[in-house]
Amino acid sequence: EVQLVQSGADVKKPGESLKISCAASGYNFTPYWIAWVRQMPGKGLEWMGMIYPGDSDTRYSPSFQGQVSISADKSINTAYLQWSSLKASDTAIYYCARHPRVSDGGHYFDYWGQGTLVTVSS
Amino acid sequence: EIVLTQSPATLSLSPGERATLSCRASQSVSSYLAWYQQKPGQAPRLLIYGASNRATGIPARFSGSGSGTDFTLTISSLEPEDFAVYYCQHRSDWLYIFGQGTKLEIK
Repeated sequence: EVQLVQSGADVKKPGESLKISCAASGYNFTPYWIAWVRQMPGKGLEWMGMIYPGDSDTRYSPSFQGQVSISADKSINTAYLQWSSLKASDTAIYYCARHPRVSDGGHYFDYWGQGTLVTVSS
Repeated sequence: EIVLTQSPATLSLSPGERATLSCRASQSVSSYLAWYQQKPGQAPRLLIYGASNRATGIPARFSGSGSGTDFTLTISSLEPEDFAVYYCQHRSDWLYIFGQGTKLEIK
């Protein structure tokens, strides 16, 4: 069974750093892109970026480029989303999601993590 | 940049009724459109990919149609568990775009 299990909720102060994780199981981790998606309180879904664990090729949305860093450790089947200096506006739920390896139905996300709530408040 | 516009923003229906949700793209996306369902406090769940292909485990009452710029998600007979927010999604030039969502609420 494919599972993406994310790290727990976190509360940080503005300016602090944070790294959240997404542990994959039930499939071969390396040849599937893993994306991160933000959902601000009461709002819709925003794609932030994604990583290919096989070679760490990473793509970012222009809206998030330079604001966050995405990485992966294929030795432990885990992807990460990292901030070096959080802002109050980073308060949101962050989801990781898997992109299917090959599909003639286009590009989408077939499995999702449960979400990690990040709260940034002084 | 492609924009996906969903309508209506809110749809109020009763269990047993048919639901029709729309997603319009600002330019053609061929058949490369996906639909997701999100219930309160839960992660999104893939319903439809390639405009009309049901994802694994999705009930047959959910169907997707359309191509080009106009797409429809239809729920043939609403069950109580179907009341949720629905999003459409497309990828264009390494940019994954979501519609703003349609909230399907109980009338």
